[in-house]
Amino acid sequence: DQQVKQNSPSLSVQEGRISILNCDYTNSMFDYFLWYKKYPAEGPTFLISISSIKDKNEDGRFTVFLNKSAKHLSLHIVPSQPGDSAVYFCAASDYGGATNKLIFGTGTLLAVQP
Amino acid sequence: KAGVTQTPRYLIKTRGQQVTLSCSPISGHRSVSWYQQTPGQGLQFLFEYFSETQRNKGNFPGRFSGRQFSNSRSEMNVSTLELGDSALYLCASRSGTGNTGELFFGEGSRLTVL
Repeated sequence: DQQVKQNSPSLSVQEGRISILNCDYTNSMFDYFLWYKKYPAEGPTFLISISSIKDKNEDGRFTVFLNKSAKHLSLHIVPSQPGDSAVYFCAASDYGGATNKLIFGTGTLLAVQP
Repeated sequence: KAGVTQTPRYLIKTRGQQVTLSCSPISGHRSVSWYQQTPGQGLQFLFEYFSETQRNKGNFPGRFSGRQFSNSRSEMNVSTLELGDSALYLCASRSGTGNTGELFFGEGSRLTVL
């Protein structure tokens, strides 16, 4: 049972435009959400996070939106740059709760075309 | 400070063999988690160790095991290897306290089973 879902395996955008990556989750007990970025032959690196008490968090070109009622979050990258091309993983956690671990989605491969 | 270090980076085994992978967490981190990454499956949680105790476990067969030493270094072992065990095995560490869930990943050990 995939509790965190990224339904788009890949996304292609033009440099300078907005990239929107989506993620859905099923467990309403998740209280913290994160986005990780992964380049080939490297481990995932933390990008941005959001607590369930917020609906938006911004860090430079990256903004994460959380819609708890829809159990949906999205990552916006504006403007997109070729160096952003990577696999993006959405993750959810409820450390201290029943699941007590970080659960990842299947990833979305973002390709930013120059 | 040094990041998470995993060894070996690449290895090739044949079916039926066993393998041991090693992980050294960031200094001061007491929690080590292991994930398996395969195409289309994202990062699948294997287990988490904290202060030498397994704190959580994913849905993997008993052939997958791990342990943590008093210096927080961790090893995972896979016995009776199957072709489907070919994957990137990622180790991640965190301080172990709090529930923000941010993990710091190593570069992974790429296992190929022939």
